[in-house]
Amino acid sequence: DAGVIQSPRHEVTEMGQEVTLRCKPISGHNSLFWYRQTMMRGLELLIYFNNNVPIDDSGMPEDRFSAKMPNASFSTLKIQPSEPRDSAVYFCASSINKGGRVTDTQYFGPGTRLTVL
Amino acid sequence: AQSVTQPDIHITVSEGASLELRCNYSYGATPYLFWYVQSPGQGLQLLLKYFSGDTLVQGIKGFEAEFKRSQSSFNLRKPSVHWSDAAEYFCAVGPGTCTASKLTFGTGTRLQVTL
Repeated sequence: DAGVIQSPRHEVTEMGQEVTLRCKPISGHNSLFWYRQTMMRGLELLIYFNNNVPIDDSGMPEDRFSAKMPNASFSTLKIQPSEPRDSAVYFCASSINKGGRVTDTQYFGPGTRLTVL
Repeated sequence: AQSVTQPDIHITVSEGASLELRCNYSYGATPYLFWYVQSPGQGLQLLLKYFSGDTLVQGIKGFEAEFKRSQSSFNLRKPSVHWSDAAEYFCAVGPGTCTASKLTFGTGTRLQVTL
């Protein structure tokens, strides 16, 4: 079975450019999570969707970040405009979630390494 | 607010030696606790989790962890380490309620295995 798929795996862009990261969750999973991993701050939850609806976006750092989930099999995380401090590895994870419970195992994708010059 | 501390940033052990990775949490009630492993260039994989019941939890790849409420700890152990265990290990805590959704991760412990 295919796991969580993320694209691109690596992205290098210049400050001020728009960046779009993509995620395809595991088929049948109804919850999707976006995380950011940096050396300084570790792994942080940015936003969480349940049944395509954003439930908790309190981790989104600022208005430059936005996330969408137009259907059950696709989500995007957009940064516009990008800044060097956005450089990080961005992970998407999915789970079968019967009500937003943290007890449901999250399956992580391989991540997108973003470098903003 | 919940928090997790992994006091060891980097640990080196010899292949075949035993391993213990430390994890301390802060939460006002009984939390849900997890250990994840991240191999280089990969996403995180769940090793084991504790919700309730037996405080000694068995996971995949021969790992186990013990929940100690009195010490607010959830240390990960393996009796005999293999070279393939070299990776980064993350402890995570979640609120112990049915409606909770947010995991808080520790900063990770990088394990190096020498032959």
